[in-house]
Amino acid sequence: QVQLKETGPDLVQLTQTLSITCTVSGFSLTTYNVHWVRQPPGKGLEWMGAMWNGGGTDYNSAFKSRLSISRDTSKSQVFLKMNSLQTDDTAKYFCARQAYYGYYFDYWGQGVMVTVSS
Amino acid sequence: DIQMTQSPASLSASLGETVSIECLASEGISNDLAWYQQKSGKSPQLLIYAASRLQDGVPSRFSGSGSGTRYSLKISGMQPEDEADYFCQQSYKYPPTFGGGTKLELK
Repeated sequence: QVQLKETGPDLVQLTQTLSITCTVSGFSLTTYNVHWVRQPPGKGLEWMGAMWNGGGTDYNSAFKSRLSISRDTSKSQVFLKMNSLQTDDTAKYFCARQAYYGYYFDYWGQGVMVTVSS
Repeated sequence: DIQMTQSPASLSASLGETVSIECLASEGISNDLAWYQQKSGKSPQLLIYAASRLQDGVPSRFSGSGSGTRYSLKISGMQPEDEADYFCQQSYKYPPTFGGGTKLELK
């Protein structure tokens, strides 16, 4: 069955770099697009960026040049890297699969809660 | 970016009651809209896509409607397991954006 699982740190220091891995199973990264979405505590959802099935990427301009998404198809993994972390980057970070029928997210990982500490 | 405004921010409903949640887009989104349910501490689950299409496995008491800039999610007969946060999401224009959420509680 389709599964996505994020792994990453619970705590990151201010101005440091966040690295999260999304390991998928039940589908191929060369067939489906995978996105990153985050959610600050008690708040709404924010789309961060995408890894396209063809290997390209797209980013929310709100993250300017801080964000980088890459993948290793042999390991079925998608990577998120974001630098210069601030306290308002404290959030739960999700990876999600895009449905084949539109720009919707039909499967999500359980998320990883990251706290940025000063 | 397209702004998505949800209302109400919170509501409580009795068992069996019919509930409606609204989503207003800052411009027309041509039915490119999804609704998600997020239970406490869990990840969002897709309920409705393309404004009115029910995702596989979602109970038929959930329905979506709307057009242009105004969309709604209806729950016909509130159940205890429907207590959750609900979010709308537009997929009409990059970047995809979400509404601020509606917290639904059982009265």
